[in-house]
Amino acid sequence: RKEVEQDPGPFNVPEGATVAFNCTYSNSASQSFFWYRQDCRKEPKLLMSVYSSGNEDGRFTAQLNRASQYISLLIRDSKLSDSATYLCVVRMNTGFQKLVFGTGTRLLVSP
Amino acid sequence: GAVVSQHPSWVICKSGTSVKIECRSLDFQATTMFWYRQFPKQSLMLMATSNEGSKATYEQGVEKDKFLINHASLTLSTLTVTSAHPEDSSFYICSGGRDSVYEQYFGPGTRLTVT
Repeated sequence: RKEVEQDPGPFNVPEGATVAFNCTYSNSASQSFFWYRQDCRKEPKLLMSVYSSGNEDGRFTAQLNRASQYISLLIRDSKLSDSATYLCVVRMNTGFQKLVFGTGTRLLVSP
Repeated sequence: GAVVSQHPSWVICKSGTSVKIECRSLDFQATTMFWYRQFPKQSLMLMATSNEGSKATYEQGVEKDKFLINHASLTLSTLTVTSAHPEDSSFYICSGGRDSVYEQYFGPGTRLTVT
């Protein structure tokens, strides 16, 4: 079983739509949680951290359920520029605080 | 934010040759550097973690004699792919981390193609 699992998609949505991505992680010792965005042939960029209380950054809302080991990302009012792969990332509670990446969910926003 | 550069951004080499990739933290001291590899349509996989001045810690399944990592200073780490084979063709990304800050800052990646 993969440590971080995501639906690979792609999710094809029209501009203005609301889209939600889910992620599950298997290691209960996971310490911190993030969503990264990766454009084609580019490095991943931090989109937002995810907290148990839920957090929002503009059109993006992230939620964490530690009991279910489940993380979500909601994007409202999708823009063409949101088209990318969204990576669910978990930081492990180990000496080097290493990051474990999901395979990513691809989002395609069309006009 | 903190900036990490990688050089080269892409490289093509012949099978059996060695390739060195540099990772530099430009405006901060990276006490820890991480090397990742990403195959098409797959996730980033951590290859190794290195602290300045000490030997790298390799993830299970990564050959330390094939992927040589040197972290000689707080701003430079290198990854050398020795005796490269076509199956080593991949996107190699480094990241730097600071002691008191848990965030990792990613370089732009190096695309390696072995022919």
